[in-house]
Amino acid sequence: QSALTQPRSVSGSPGQSVTISCTGTSSDVGGYNYVSWYQEHPGKAPKVMIYDVSKRPSGVPDRFSGSKSGNTASLTISGLQAEDEADYYCCSYAGTYTFVFGTGTKVTVL
Amino acid sequence: EVQLVESGGGLVQPGGSLRLSCSTSGFTFSNYGMHWFRQAPGKGLEYVSAIIYNGGSTYYVDSVKGRFTISRDDSKSSLYLQMSGLRAEDTAVYYCVTGGGHYFEHWGQGTLVTVSS
Repeated sequence: QSALTQPRSVSGSPGQSVTISCTGTSSDVGGYNYVSWYQEHPGKAPKVMIYDVSKRPSGVPDRFSGSKSGNTASLTISGLQAEDEADYYCCSYAGTYTFVFGTGTKVTVL
Repeated sequence: EVQLVESGGGLVQPGGSLRLSCSTSGFTFSNYGMHWFRQAPGKGLEYVSAIIYNGGSTYYVDSVKGRFTISRDDSKSSLYLQMSGLRAEDTAVYYCVTGGGHYFEHWGQGTLVTVSS
């Protein structure tokens, strides 16, 4: 399984919106509506922010949203805040109880 | 509150073995599939292995097939990863993870495995 492709970094000022792309294949992202997104702060365990492409777990701010088109999924953070500065990873189901992660994107709040 | 606590990491020589354990609480362990993920220093997350809720099926990333064995003890609400033939590239923080669907809601804090001579 090859890792899903994400931009290495994105940045934005407080209040702005940023979008992170996650590109896979028809065997993973394009084949299932099971894309999830994880936020990781240094030294902390990852936290799920979006699951099943666009669903938000309880407690996740609604400024986080997800979508998918074809083999590419996207995470958008609207109204960027300082605490959103972190690494973000997408993850897709790839069949037969296996999963593949993205390469990771560092979000910087300017 | 769901808790996952990994243990068993440490320094091991190339070719050596190590057994990771994950002790859980706060949920009905026997009802859930369990996973091991890892993250090498400064690198991204990687799926390593999974075991379905009844232990009937297991799955591994190609790079660990034949070297790692995942298992579970529902009576102890615990997950294990037996690692052998360890290589430098297996150096990583190993996370015990679970979730109710095709995503991962609960993560342990991780245990560091360092493979070095």
